[in-house]
Amino acid sequence: EVQLVESGGGLVQPGGSLRLSCAASGFTFSRYAMHWVRQAPGRGLEYVSGISVNGGSTFYANSVKGRFIISRDNSKNTLYLQMGSLRPEDMAVYYCASWGYVETTYFDYWGQGALVTVSS
Amino acid sequence: QSALTQPASVSGSPGQSITISCTGTSSDVGSYNLVSWYQQHPGKAPKLMIYEDSKRPSGVSNRFSGSKSGNTASLTISGLQAEDEGDYYCCSYAGSSTFYVFGTGTKVTVL
Repeated sequence: EVQLVESGGGLVQPGGSLRLSCAASGFTFSRYAMHWVRQAPGRGLEYVSGISVNGGSTFYANSVKGRFIISRDNSKNTLYLQMGSLRPEDMAVYYCASWGYVETTYFDYWGQGALVTVSS
Repeated sequence: QSALTQPASVSGSPGQSITISCTGTSSDVGSYNLVSWYQQHPGKAPKLMIYEDSKRPSGVSNRFSGSKSGNTASLTISGLQAEDEGDYYCCSYAGSSTFYVFGTGTKVTVL
């Protein structure tokens, strides 16, 4: 069974930092791009960041560029999101996800989400 | 990185069909056959309903279908059931500079 389990969420003051982790199991983590998607309370989904299989290519939404860093450790099957200079508008549930093809079969995996609260 | 445009809400009676639109641009929806549709229930992670514009994952009811014309993608739910209530989001690949963009979301209500 595929599992993506986020951790590291919590309460942080504006301007603070937090690191989210996403532990993957049940699929060959090192073969697939990984993504972070967030959802602010009562709002829609927002694509935040993505990383290639070897970490050589990364993408950031304009809203987080320069403040967030995505990385991965394929030896630990873990995805990370280092979040800095946090703002109230960064408060959201952060999902890690992966989608694509395993041979000829399309897959789409999401974690249960980690809540990040930014408040003084 | 503007969100794709969806209607805020769509409703229908049980057994009816409804269609949710997702309007983008020639840089995203119109350029790639890579629109996905997700269903989300409160407090839950999104669930994939359609990928690559019109393909249905294994296990998803054939009452769900996707299509696209130009810069607008559509999700049709036929034979509407109470369990179809929830929020629906489209998502499109938008090239290497933008990567992915989600729609604004549509709340589906079964009357």
